[in-house]
Amino acid sequence: ETGVTQSPTHLIKTRGQQVTLRCSSQSGHNTVSWYQQALGQGPQFIFQYYREEENGRGNFPPRFSGLQFPNYSSELNVNALELDDSALYLCASSLERGQDYGYTFGSGTRLTVV
Amino acid sequence: RKEVEQDPGPFNVPEGATVAFNCTYSNSASQSFFWYRQDCRKEPKLLMSVYSSGNEDGRFTAQLNRASQYISLLIRDSKLSDSATYLCVVKGGTAGNKLTFGGGTRVLVKP
Repeated sequence: ETGVTQSPTHLIKTRGQQVTLRCSSQSGHNTVSWYQQALGQGPQFIFQYYREEENGRGNFPPRFSGLQFPNYSSELNVNALELDDSALYLCASSLERGQDYGYTFGSGTRLTVV
Repeated sequence: RKEVEQDPGPFNVPEGATVAFNCTYSNSASQSFFWYRQDCRKEPKLLMSVYSSGNEDGRFTAQLNRASQYISLLIRDSKLSDSATYLCVVKGGTAGNKLTFGGGTRVLVKP
């Protein structure tokens, strides 16, 4: 059983650019969540996708958008990058949206905006 | 006020000692509770779920107090490898299925 995989592992972008981060969920998992973790802070919920539809969103502006594909993999897109977007972006997958267990995270994408 | 609050530490712990710390949460409707461990520049990893009856996993004991809305973690016989940041996490209720993280408590176990 493969775990959650994210790509790329590291990325450097310039302010104002756009970025796409990718996540392959664990085999059989149909729910994907994205989190942003700034240095020294806990992860913050961006949004969750369940069976290709957005199922909850945190306090992030519309320039943060996402997709989930039929194979349950997912993308996080960020437009008009700002310096404060520099963070570790984490993807987590789970089997059902309501299950009572913690999620498994991928190793993350570390984004630096300069 | 943050939804989940933790003492950031660091807690400097002699090897072999016991350390305990907790977190508080504001959403009384939260349904599920967890401790995650995060090593430097790595992803968070689930350490254990937390139940009102208390639960133990080896040297780790977690406890939930719903009335006071706090969650505790106790580590016995600390190992050097226990050095990490411990994240308190709540889920469910009015917050839906998202995980809400505290800022983490840093633990440093020293020889």
